[in-house]
Amino acid sequence: GESVGLHLPTLSVQEGDNSIINCAYSNSASDYFIWYKQESGKGPQFIIDIRSNMDKRQGQRVTVLLNKTVKHLSLQIAATQPGDSAVYFCAENYGGATNKLIFGTGTLLAVQP
Amino acid sequence: ETGVTQTPRHLVMGMTNKKSLKCEQHLGHNAMYWYKQSAKKPLELMFVYSLEERVENNSVPSRFSPECPNSSHLFLHLHTLQPEDSALYLCASSQVGNRDNEQFFGPGTRLTVL
Repeated sequence: GESVGLHLPTLSVQEGDNSIINCAYSNSASDYFIWYKQESGKGPQFIIDIRSNMDKRQGQRVTVLLNKTVKHLSLQIAATQPGDSAVYFCAENYGGATNKLIFGTGTLLAVQP
Repeated sequence: ETGVTQTPRHLVMGMTNKKSLKCEQHLGHNAMYWYKQSAKKPLELMFVYSLEERVENNSVPSRFSPECPNSSHLFLHLHTLQPEDSALYLCASSQVGNRDNEQFFGPGTRLTVL
């Protein structure tokens, strides 16, 4: 069936360390993946995306890795800051007429000062 | 004003009330979505409108009634809700047909049903 899941519901890191948030997806036909960040009291905010013809994409302090062989996605945050504390969701996009997104349950990233 | 806006931000209603949630997108997108977000559960897609036509309804109870009068506005009409309907209701928009078709979310309406 359709599912996008996260390996760890909560991740606690020290300020300045690197964070890695993992995600598994089940639909090998998905061709577009997105990471969202949701802070308390706000809606999800786009962080970075990647298409299935790539295996790595870098942004500012963030890197997304895609392993299609094992249907695994990860988000790496370099030099984690207190402002990075939030829930992080991965989503796979089925495209088509509706741009349907399937979300995972989310990982809470807690940055300790 | 930019992005996706939602009103009200908080709503408390009784089970016999009728209320409406409003969403407006200022991004020129052609698709809009309603999601329900409950604690410790994935975001649940409720409705999708593409080019102002409802193209998806994910088995949502009839006590939730969406309306999309134009490509910039989306409503969710609520009546005779249940306490288990308490959740954060998120609106999103996107441009269907674009190569990179991310969805942009509003801040949500926190709904409490008493």
